Formats: sequence, C-alpha cells, structure tokens
Amino acid sequence: IAGITQAPTSQILAAGRRMTLRCTQDMRHNAMYWYRQDLGLGLRLIHYSNTAGTTGKGEVPDGYSVSRANTDDFPLTLASAVPSQTSVYFCASSDSAGGSDTQYFGPGTRLTVL
Amino acid sequence: GQNIDQPTEMTATEGAIVQINCTYQTSGFNGLFWYQQHAGEAPTFLSYNVLDGLEEKGRFSSFLSRSKGYSYLLLKELQMKDSASYLCAVRDNDYKLSFGAGTTVTVRA
Repeated sequence: IAGITQAPTSQILAAGRRMTLRCTQDMRHNAMYWYRQDLGLGLRLIHYSNTAGTTGKGEVPDGYSVSRANTDDFPLTLASAVPSQTSVYFCASSDSAGGSDTQYFGPGTRLTVL
Repeated sequence: GQNIDQPTEMTATEGAIVQINCTYQTSGFNGLFWYQQHAGEAPTFLSYNVLDGLEEKGRFSSFLSRSKGYSYLLLKELQMKDSASYLCAVRDNDYKLSFGAGTTVTVRA
C-alpha cells in the first residue's frame, strides 16, 4: 500500500507556464487537501475536497484550481505560475473531515518558479 | 480566522525532557493536533486532543486547556531521532486545519 503519492517530486518552472501537481491516494479516504509550506509561515491550506465531486477554498486559493473527479485523485493546477508560488506543496487525505480522523500527508512536491 | 503561536526553536540534551507550548486564538475549535516533520519529509501525526487534559502515547504526551487556548507537547527521554519540527494545528468548526509555523527541536548528544 503506497498511501499517498505526489508527482513530480520537484520541478523548476518558468513564470507564466501552466503546471499540474498530481496527488493520488489508495486508502479510499473521502477528504483530500492541498497545502503549501513556506519557511516561517507553516502549512497553509490552498483547497480541499470533503468528498468526490466537491471542492472548497482554503486560506490561500488565488492562482490555484483543483478538481475531484474520483475518490483517489486530487490534482492541483497553477494556470499561470508566478514566482510567489515557489514553495513545497503537500497533498493530504483523511477518512472523513471530522472526528479524530487524522490527515495523512504525501511526500511533497518542491516547486520553483523563475 | 486562526492565530496559532509556538516557539521557533528549542534545544535539549539527549535523555532530557522538552515541552513545546502552543497558544491559539480561533474563531471555532474542533480539536488540536500535533505533527512531527523531519527535514525534507512530510508531516506525520503524533497526537490529537479535543477534550481538556493529558493524552499520553509512549514518550510523547499532549495537553489541552480549551478555556486558556493552550496546548503543549511533552517529549520525554529525548533521542537524537527526535530532532525535527513539531507542528501545532487547530481544527475549526468547518473541519479545516490551521497550522502554527512549527517549532524546530534540536537534540544534542
């Protein structure tokens, strides 16, 4: 069982380019999340999905979009990358959004926008 | 909104005890989580508190006081492998997590 996988592991991207970060989980978790982690700021929620077919905005959604066509996949798209989107991106999932259900994190994608 | 504060760095000696404090001011509260994150790796779950009191799990314990907006993570019998960042996270009434910036703990021999 892989848990949560993310691709690519790292990427250098020219500003203005479109980029999709992939996230797949094999735990049949209902809820999935995208965070960015920047030095001194901690993890910040970008978008989330409580169940397949639904998505919601987190704390820092501008410049990002997501889709949740099925339970397993939750891709994050940067339509036109800007240098301020340079960050480490973590995908996470949980069985449900409430109770004591914890979020399990993928290994992360390190993105550099030049 | 959420405001979560924790110290930036702490240093302790192998075998010692370290207490990482976390204070929060939130618009809603539905549980507090502690995660461990080694450099270059993903965060991993350590503990969960939703009621006041102490939760003990081996060498790690976590305490919560909802009336004071306060939690701490206690690491006992420190080992070198405990050198990591420790993240405090509060879940709001919409079940979304807000994280503190993290506390980097360095364990010295």
